[in-house]
Amino acid sequence: SAVISQKPSRDICQRGTSLTIQCQVDSQVTMMFWYRQQPGQSLTLIATANQGSEATYESGFVIDKFPISRPNLTFSTLTVSNMSPEDSSIYLCSTSRGPETQYFGPGTRLLVL
Amino acid sequence: AQSVTQLGSHVSVSEGALVLLRCNYSSSVPPYLFWYVQYPNQGLQLLLKYTTGATLVKGINGFEAEFKKSETSFHLTKPSAHMSDAAEYFCAVSVNNNDMRFGAGTRLTVKP
Repeated sequence: SAVISQKPSRDICQRGTSLTIQCQVDSQVTMMFWYRQQPGQSLTLIATANQGSEATYESGFVIDKFPISRPNLTFSTLTVSNMSPEDSSIYLCSTSRGPETQYFGPGTRLLVL
Repeated sequence: AQSVTQLGSHVSVSEGALVLLRCNYSSSVPPYLFWYVQYPNQGLQLLLKYTTGATLVKGINGFEAEFKKSETSFHLTKPSAHMSDAAEYFCAVSVNNNDMRFGAGTRLTVKP
């Protein structure tokens, strides 16, 4: 399995501000994924981040709202920009280790007031 | 594209009783299937997975699941529920590692 950490673990933010979430993996990985889990719901993939290339966004998610960085093979950030209460969610990063399987970080719990 | 349906958003069992959480999938190619568990205020933890080979897979904490191609199912079971099993359970399907789709989740409650 992979050991994944996220910072911050939770935050309360004011609308209109931005928050950057960090994801650190314990070893080099090719692909990292960012998911959103809205209250009481399942996970939705926001984007896939490969090192050295632009992130690939899923339908309904745009780079201006959720810019992603992937500066090296162990680290990625997701920024939630110009936040509104609808952005209140758990944001999770994941990566693959070995074939087919994704491992998840502990998540960042965001509340926007 | 592949998809997953979890039958029952909430399942309640008594401690010591059988746990059965249902998952059906749709995929045009042989799928990889997963069960993840999410404890309160935590991330997702992999319980078990089916990729190829033996259709009955065993996971952590006494859980197991059986891949039934004819029924397009991957139900999760545990013979005897424990209070610590109370959590949210997600079934997921993938046809390659870039594209994992999750079910809506099933909340398991265990009554003393």
